[in-house]
Amino acid sequence: GAVVSQHPSRVICKSGTSVKIECRSLDFQATTMFWYRQFPKQSLMLMATSNEGSKATYEQGVEKDKFLINHASLTLSTLTVTSAHPEDSSFYICSARKGQGTDTQYFGPGTRLTVL
Amino acid sequence: AQSVTQLGSHVSVSEGALVLLRCNYSSSVPPYLFWYVQYPNQGLQLLLKYTSAATLVKGINGFEAEFKKSETSFHLTKPSAHMSDAAEYFCAPTPQGGKLIFGQGTELSVKP
Repeated sequence: GAVVSQHPSRVICKSGTSVKIECRSLDFQATTMFWYRQFPKQSLMLMATSNEGSKATYEQGVEKDKFLINHASLTLSTLTVTSAHPEDSSFYICSARKGQGTDTQYFGPGTRLTVL
Repeated sequence: AQSVTQLGSHVSVSEGALVLLRCNYSSSVPPYLFWYVQYPNQGLQLLLKYTSAATLVKGINGFEAEFKKSETSFHLTKPSAHMSDAAEYFCAPTPQGGKLIFGQGTELSVKP
């Protein structure tokens, strides 16, 4: 159990367009989902935390109008990169947590975004 | 604030040799601690989790880690490396509040 999927796995888009990435918990209900960004050969950087039915909490330095997060159900969160630019190219990974606090986060397989 | 240090961004071992990946955290409150593994172009997979029930934690794929409060360490070990263990490994303490604090990662290479 505890499987998290992401779609798409890879996306290439033109500069100025918007891209939506979906994160789904397939066999459990996720009270909280997290979105991370990872640059090549680097660690994961937490972008935001989203709880079902409420606004996401963004980390310092992350533009909330640029990275729109929606957590409409207990199994789905979406990240929309608006007006994407080449510097937004990165590996985006989501995770989902069943319970509260220190419960385990289960990670999706990641989405590779390339902005031309 | 909680921080974590993974000593050695790259570790290389021979197949069959001992694997030791180091992780030190800094906190006045013993945290929960996780080790995750990431294979190329993939997400993270949970290796093991410390939650204060036992200081020696056994995980998947033959890995284990020992929590040492006096040394603020949570090093990951495996007695005998396999080629399939080659990956990036992340140590992540979790202070109260539930956010994972990721280390910079250690890339493990396994030589035949």
